Amino acid sequence: KAGVTQTPRYLIKTRGQQVTLSCSPISGHRSVSWYQQTPGQGLQFLFEYFSETQRNKGNFPGRFSGRQFSNSRSEMNVSTLELGDSALYLCASSAGGLIYNEQFFGPGTRLTVL
Amino acid sequence: GQQVMQIPQYQHVQEGEDFTTYCNSSTTLSNIQWYKQRPGGHPVFLIQLVKSGEVKKQKRLTFQFGEAKKNSSLHITATQTTDVGTYFCSLFGNEKLTFGTGTRLTIIP
Repeated sequence: KAGVTQTPRYLIKTRGQQVTLSCSPISGHRSVSWYQQTPGQGLQFLFEYFSETQRNKGNFPGRFSGRQFSNSRSEMNVSTLELGDSALYLCASSAGGLIYNEQFFGPGTRLTVL
Repeated sequence: GQQVMQIPQYQHVQEGEDFTTYCNSSTTLSNIQWYKQRPGGHPVFLIQLVKSGEVKKQKRLTFQFGEAKKNSSLHITATQTTDVGTYFCSLFGNEKLTFGTGTRLTIIP
């Protein structure tokens, strides 16, 4: 089985721009969750989608949004980028969701905001 | 809200020494998971603990869930260079997944 894939792997944007990141889960997995990882704040949960519906949400501002398509692929959008949004963005997929299920992480997208 | 403390933040050990990281929650947990992230890599699932007092072993790794289900530990016996990385605990509560701050393990050959 192919693993979780994320595109692009690296991205450079400037303040005020918006960005869309993509995540393709493991075949058959219906849950996709997104995380932001920074040296200062660690690994933080953004949100989870399950069967095209946002099911759980972390404590991030509304500039961070996402969606999931019928094939379980997910996108995350960040609008009006700030310098502090520079981070590694990871997505993970699982068969049944966040609780009691192993999360399979993708390689991440490294976003740099200038 | 739910708080997760993971200690220590860093641990440097000589190869062959033991290593332990601890994860403490402010609330009672339904389960806890452990992940490992190698330098430059992404988190990889290690184990899940569900029952009070549960102990699970994977070769040189021993995972324990506290009796009160508020804390957990990961112990590595006789560390090897392949153990290098950051170890995270992860728990679900209040409709979100929370990761511990992680313990970065470095091995001195």
